[in-house]
Amino acid sequence: DIQMTQSPSSLSASVGDRVTISCRASEGISKNVVWFQQKTGKAPKALIYAAARLRSGVPSRFSGSGSGTDYTLTINSLQPEDFATYYCQQYTNYPWTFGQGTKVENK
Amino acid sequence: QVQLQESGPGLVKPSQTLSLACTVSGGSITSGGNYWTWIRQRPGKGLEWIGYISYTGNTYSNPSLESRLTISLDTSRNQFSLRLSSMTAADTAIYYCVRESKNYDDSWGSFRLFDSWGPGTLVAVSS
Repeated sequence: DIQMTQSPSSLSASVGDRVTISCRASEGISKNVVWFQQKTGKAPKALIYAAARLRSGVPSRFSGSGSGTDYTLTINSLQPEDFATYYCQQYTNYPWTFGQGTKVENK
Repeated sequence: QVQLQESGPGLVKPSQTLSLACTVSGGSITSGGNYWTWIRQRPGKGLEWIGYISYTGNTYSNPSLESRLTISLDTSRNQFSLRLSSMTAADTAIYYCVRESKNYDDSWGSFRLFDSWGPGTLVAVSS
């Protein structure tokens, strides 16, 4: 299985901050990465696919980058509704696997 | 807009078989390009892909669960189902049914996406 390792596991930030979350795959995954946002008690919601493509309707303050084994989700100017847990997911090889999550908390 | 809804017991005894159904509304379960998927989230943990059944009835399972898992399609009810045998406490989780779609982006090409999720159902394993 491809292991997806996210860092940090949690972070504290304030409204207006720039937040960066990293995801490292145990092998190259050719940009086949999705980033999800999950709020407490809700199902995850996909934000970005193909490492850097913003899903329709997702605010432009979210962006993704990366290649090979290393990928990044950036939130520019964090908004109150962005406090949540974020997951990366690879769809290069079965079984599809997820990172362990990064919780973004209010400082 | 496709919507998914899980149904099934909230409590299962150890060694029993879990049966969950997912009802799909707003679209046909046989429409092409979709993979009807189960994902679970154990308490305080991340997400685990369980497996899928395609619109043609082909299945693929996580090897860690394959020996205990059956995923099936009921086109007459527009539903797909999960059966997981020999349940233990380690199977306690929120179970989500999810549509994974095959898509095409003019600038990127084809890609896969878990784009519609049910609200999830909590299944506890306890005697």
